[in-house]
Amino acid sequence: SQQGEEDPQALSIQEGENATMNCSYKTSINNLQWYRQNSGRGLVHLILIRSNEREKHSGRLRVTLDTSKKSSSLLITASRAADTASYFCAFVSSNDYKLSFGAGTTVTVRA
Amino acid sequence: DGGITQSPKYLFRKEGQNVTLSCEQNLNHDAMYWYRQDPGQGLRLIYYSQIVNDFQKGDIAEGYSVSREKKESFPLTVTSAQKNPTAFYLCASSNIDRGGPGNQPQHFGDGTRLSIL
Repeated sequence: SQQGEEDPQALSIQEGENATMNCSYKTSINNLQWYRQNSGRGLVHLILIRSNEREKHSGRLRVTLDTSKKSSSLLITASRAADTASYFCAFVSSNDYKLSFGAGTTVTVRA
Repeated sequence: DGGITQSPKYLFRKEGQNVTLSCEQNLNHDAMYWYRQDPGQGLRLIYYSQIVNDFQKGDIAEGYSVSREKKESFPLTVTSAQKNPTAFYLCASSNIDRGGPGNQPQHFGDGTRLSIL
């Protein structure tokens, strides 16, 4: 299946700063989802954005979707040490219904 | 609390041995999934099931087998045919809407780390 590509692979920021990560894909999609994974744990769902939506917010998280550029971004505002984790985008192709995951962005928030 | 329970947390396999990873959910979800995660990589789908007694191969099913005899349970067997089984295995579940299971968020267990002795 098609996998997404995430950028950057790793990100280190100071507590209180914003963190932005991007996801690109190559197919038409039904929706795009973002997940967080703490070290050694399972994934936790953050946000699902559908192909007809352009922006979605959840607390300190903001997700945008640009289907013309086949890309999405996740912004974490006012980061905290607890935000240290790997973040994955995952999408469902229009001709499929399985999730395809990117390789993830590892975010480290320094106190 | 509802959730997904995977066991064991760590598992070691001897050469030529089959091992079974357990996954149980009490979220009343119809769909269940098994993923494999290798270091520094995203998740790859092994098998998925949308209904009891039915399952489909994912992208890397060779060397693995599953069963879905109960809605709550979706065990994964790593057979001796899987020559590189060392990985982190994640089980997930989700609701299904008319657009298919991919339109719903997936809920994950905390994984089983499998290594070769």
